[in-house]
Amino acid sequence: GESVGLHLPTLSVQEGDNSIINCAYSNSASDYFIWYKQESGKGPQFIIDIRSNMDKRQGQRVTVLLNKTVKHLSLQIAATQPGDSAVYFCAENRLPGGSYIPTFGRGTSLIVHP
Amino acid sequence: GAGVSQSPSNKVTEKGKDVELRCDPISGHTALYWYRQSLGQGLEFLIYFQGNSAPDKSGLPSDRFSAERTGGSVSTLTIQRTQQEDSAVYLCASSSDSSTDTQYFGPGTRLTVL
Repeated sequence: GESVGLHLPTLSVQEGDNSIINCAYSNSASDYFIWYKQESGKGPQFIIDIRSNMDKRQGQRVTVLLNKTVKHLSLQIAATQPGDSAVYFCAENRLPGGSYIPTFGRGTSLIVHP
Repeated sequence: GAGVSQSPSNKVTEKGKDVELRCDPISGHTALYWYRQSLGQGLEFLIYFQGNSAPDKSGLPSDRFSAERTGGSVSTLTIQRTQQEDSAVYLCASSSDSSTDTQYFGPGTRLTVL
């Protein structure tokens, strides 16, 4: 079946560096994508989302890029801080008319070294 | 206002026992989701409630799993005759009634079956 997956299970960076977390999706019908951050012992927390009519969206220190041609999604974190250490999940869904249940990827663990 | 709460935070049980996990969604949210997260894995969808509609149970792994939502608010996930492979973190999330509305997750219940 179709799935969402991540290229790298673990990413280690130095504090202050920029981080890039990648995600591949295979469902061409997906048109809504979300990034979540999950800290140890906590539930996932929404970071940023993007719809398929956009290829870039920026938040505070985070940017999500969507390449529909190759079905690729990335999360960029600027000036990574120790507090950014967490597991990051991408999820895909379809706008109303499709499933209300997002499909989550496996997650990438981001480790920020001081 | 208060976020999604779950209880208990930790549950240790013996194989073969029944367990009940509770989720209190954000007030006014009509959609409620249950997920299971095994160590180092992504989120596995279990069941979805939306308003007064029949729940989507397509993710329940076996007939030992069931869930109900009383009065459109609190939900209980029941696992009968627990098995060791049921050990995981069970996460609950709630959202408004749109597939693009942010899901707010609770902290999860860590279930350990001995």
